[in-house]
Amino acid sequence: DAGVIQSPRHEVTEMGQEVTLRCKPISGHDYLFWYRQTMMRGLELLIYFNNNVPIDDSGMPEDRFSAKMPNASFSTLKIQPSEPRDSAVYFCASSFLLSGSPGYTFGSGTRLTVV
Amino acid sequence: QQQVKQSPQSLIVQKGGISIINCAYENTAFDYFPWYQQFPGKGPALLIAIRPDVSEKKEGRFTISFNKSAKQFSLHIMDSQPGDSATYFCAARDNYGQNFVFGPGTRLSVLP
Repeated sequence: DAGVIQSPRHEVTEMGQEVTLRCKPISGHDYLFWYRQTMMRGLELLIYFNNNVPIDDSGMPEDRFSAKMPNASFSTLKIQPSEPRDSAVYFCASSFLLSGSPGYTFGSGTRLTVV
Repeated sequence: QQQVKQSPQSLIVQKGGISIINCAYENTAFDYFPWYQQFPGKGPALLIAIRPDVSEKKEGRFTISFNKSAKQFSLHIMDSQPGDSATYFCAARDNYGQNFVFGPGTRLSVLP
């Protein structure tokens, strides 16, 4: 299995632009999570899905952030408009509820820089 | 109540020494406690995990010790190696959901 695949690996954009981050979870996993990592705040859960349905989006910072999961193999996190304070590493992770070891598998992340 | 506290923030250990990272929690509904290891430029990777019905779990040089009454758990890395230099996160999951709460992380440096 190729693991959780995120794209792009790096994104540099200007303030006010729309940014779309992409994630392909591990096949068969029924949960998908979006996390943001910064030095100041550590790993923050933004939103998670179960069977493509958003379950908890209370971590989404504000209306500028939105996430979708149109099918079991693809999810996007969109920021519109982007701001410098959105600069962070964004991780996608997936898991399988009925696994004997229900830990997450993280992707390699997207490093977002908003200038 | 949902927090997981982790210490120390950073740790420097000589090669061959023992690295110890501690975590504490309040929520008694937590039922699964993994540790993640993160190298620069990579996502966190599951290292070892424990459930509260056991007091210790060992995998190679890595051991989790769990104290249910004190609501504390710790990661011990025996014979620490420079390749262990990474950031370590403890985490906890409550039995009502699938999401995890992560500690703030410990940056470990193992000197050659």
